[in-house]
Amino acid sequence: QKEVEQNSGPLSVPEGAIASLNCTYSDRGSQSFFWYRQYSGKSPELIMSIYSNGDKEDGRFTAQLNKASQYVSLLIRDSQPSDSATYLCAVNSGGSNYKLTFGKGTLLTVNP
Amino acid sequence: SAVISQKPSRDICQRGTSLTIQCQVDSQVTMMFWYRQQPGQSLTLIATANQGSEATYESGFVIDKFPISRPNLTFSTLTVSNMSPEDSSIYLCSAKISLEAFFGQGTRLTVV
Repeated sequence: QKEVEQNSGPLSVPEGAIASLNCTYSDRGSQSFFWYRQYSGKSPELIMSIYSNGDKEDGRFTAQLNKASQYVSLLIRDSQPSDSATYLCAVNSGGSNYKLTFGKGTLLTVNP
Repeated sequence: SAVISQKPSRDICQRGTSLTIQCQVDSQVTMMFWYRQQPGQSLTLIATANQGSEATYESGFVIDKFPISRPNLTFSTLTVSNMSPEDSSIYLCSAKISLEAFFGQGTRLTVV
């Protein structure tokens, strides 16, 4: 059973702070990793993808991948109330057959 | 990315009936997916739909209950058959573009 684990949350941070979201995965052969943001009542929106070890930055978002530790994280700098949402970690556990396994998500609340 | 249009956006159905959900992508894609998201839960993959072949169902999901069509590279349907209240959920269509997956806006189904 391929699993993706996330901090259950909720995670509460003040406006302007750095929010750190973490995810671990069980399938060592996984090659691609994604973070989705899901607002209440809405569908998931892809915000970051990462494929190689290290950091990938896009605006206020930084994804970090460590395949040896089977760990992927998302940092949100200068958090805004509009960042309040559930963040889903997804891992392609199907290789070339492409099958995403999702974590249960972490609810982030940014307090003004 | 892609624009993925899903309809209906919501429906209330009587038990024992069937509902067909449509998903239209604004570009040709090889792989499309159908997910279920129950309240407060993460996404569970129902099946992968590739054009020109039978859908591949995940454990716990069967074709008789969730028949899927994939007539061309931009369109797919999911039917929820012989519905019961346990089928009340959000159903999400997804399409793979390059190495990333994008979602439609979802169908909120309530079975009474």
